[in-house]
Amino acid sequence: QLQLQESGSGLVKPSQTLSLTCAVSGGSITSGGYSWNWIRQPPGKGLEWIGYISQSGNTYYNPSLKSRVAISVDRSKNQFSLKLSSVTAADTAVYFCARERLLGSNYYGFDVWGQGTTVTVSS
Amino acid sequence: SYEVTQPPSLSVSPGQTASITCSGEKLGEKYACWYQQKPGQSPVVVIYQDNKRPSGIPERFSGSNSGNTATLTISGTQAMDEADYYCQAWDSSTVVFGGGTKLTVL
Repeated sequence: QLQLQESGSGLVKPSQTLSLTCAVSGGSITSGGYSWNWIRQPPGKGLEWIGYISQSGNTYYNPSLKSRVAISVDRSKNQFSLKLSSVTAADTAVYFCARERLLGSNYYGFDVWGQGTTVTVSS
Repeated sequence: SYEVTQPPSLSVSPGQTASITCSGEKLGEKYACWYQQKPGQSPVVVIYQDNKRPSGIPERFSGSNSGNTATLTISGTQAMDEADYYCQAWDSSTVVFGGGTKLTVL
């Protein structure tokens, strides 16, 4: 069974860059029909999609974050990563990595999620 | 930018039917998914592709999507169904989540 595990800095200073990694186990990140996503949830608020990287390496980002976001993949380590630059307190959130499944014309949504990691932006 | 709107809260008595709506322009032309999130946990997909249930999701969960509204229906609501529910759709290569509906079972 596929599992995702987030890791990275839990405390980031304002104006610095947030860096997180999602390790994929129980399956290959290069398998077709999936995209690898980052989603966040500020304290007490709803879900916000950050962006994804496809198995072919294409990336798509939330337009509201596009200028500050970079998602990359390391196939040798079976993991993908998020970098968010110039962070402010508004970037404080639980960050989830999630697999999205699309096979042919069938859309399965985000079917596997990591447990989430809390990132606090504070000096 | 595209938006989908959910009611912030809904209360139902145990055994009753809970209907949570998600509204967006021409939402019926897109696939809608629904996620359940309990406190301190990651979201879980309960409905995908408008009306399909993943394995392991109880039959009391169902979905529909037509016109401008997608609906998640929980028949015979149980105390364990108390949670936040989020709808999700795609528009122009962007994922959109609704603001979430807090379902209270009392």
